[in-house]
Amino acid sequence: NAGVTQTPKFRILKIGQSMTLQCAQDMNHNYMYWYRQDPGMGLKLIYYSVGAGITDKGEVPNGYNVSRSTTEDFPLRLELAAPSQTSVYFCASSTVDKNIQYFGAGTRLSVL
Amino acid sequence: DQQVKQNSPSLSVQEGRISILNCDYTNSMFDYFLWYKKYPAEGPTFLISISSIKDKNEDGRFTVFLNKSAKHLSLHIVPSQPGDSAVYFCAASVNAGNMLTFGGGTRLMVKP
Repeated sequence: NAGVTQTPKFRILKIGQSMTLQCAQDMNHNYMYWYRQDPGMGLKLIYYSVGAGITDKGEVPNGYNVSRSTTEDFPLRLELAAPSQTSVYFCASSTVDKNIQYFGAGTRLSVL
Repeated sequence: DQQVKQNSPSLSVQEGRISILNCDYTNSMFDYFLWYKKYPAEGPTFLISISSIKDKNEDGRFTVFLNKSAKHLSLHIVPSQPGDSAVYFCAASVNAGNMLTFGGGTRLMVKP
């Protein structure tokens, strides 16, 4: 019962570096999401996908890119890391007919 | 503009007593509400939900109350247990859709 798996768990980046946060789910969910959570704040939606090949922007998409080539995987790309992107990133998935989202354990990212 | 607000960042309760977590919303289009629980270093996990056609939903020790006229919902935990110590997020969606708007969270501490 893996559910939603995120890698890596922790990462430190230098300003201007790039990286990809990986997310995979084994529940055959069509919908997948990326959130960021800043200290003391709720989760803000970065990007989401309603199926393979279809992605759309959420509330805070600037500085990020996503792709969805398979149902299982939904990687999040940071091209030019900035200190403002220091956060905890959560990936989630859900079925089409139920809006209960299942979350991964998160990736804690620091940009220094 | 925060559409979902949890005005109490933290709450401390004695074991065995009732915990009441509150959530207010501003968007009258929200019609489905969820509570998530989050332990440190883990992703949020779904706890309980309520549709706007109901004013109460109960699941074991957890009960969610919805007051549509006041745009307010609350989560009651009775009796509270030390294992309930976590951050609780309320979330809302429109047309019971898949996009969730989260509140900022309330940290609950249940003292033995």
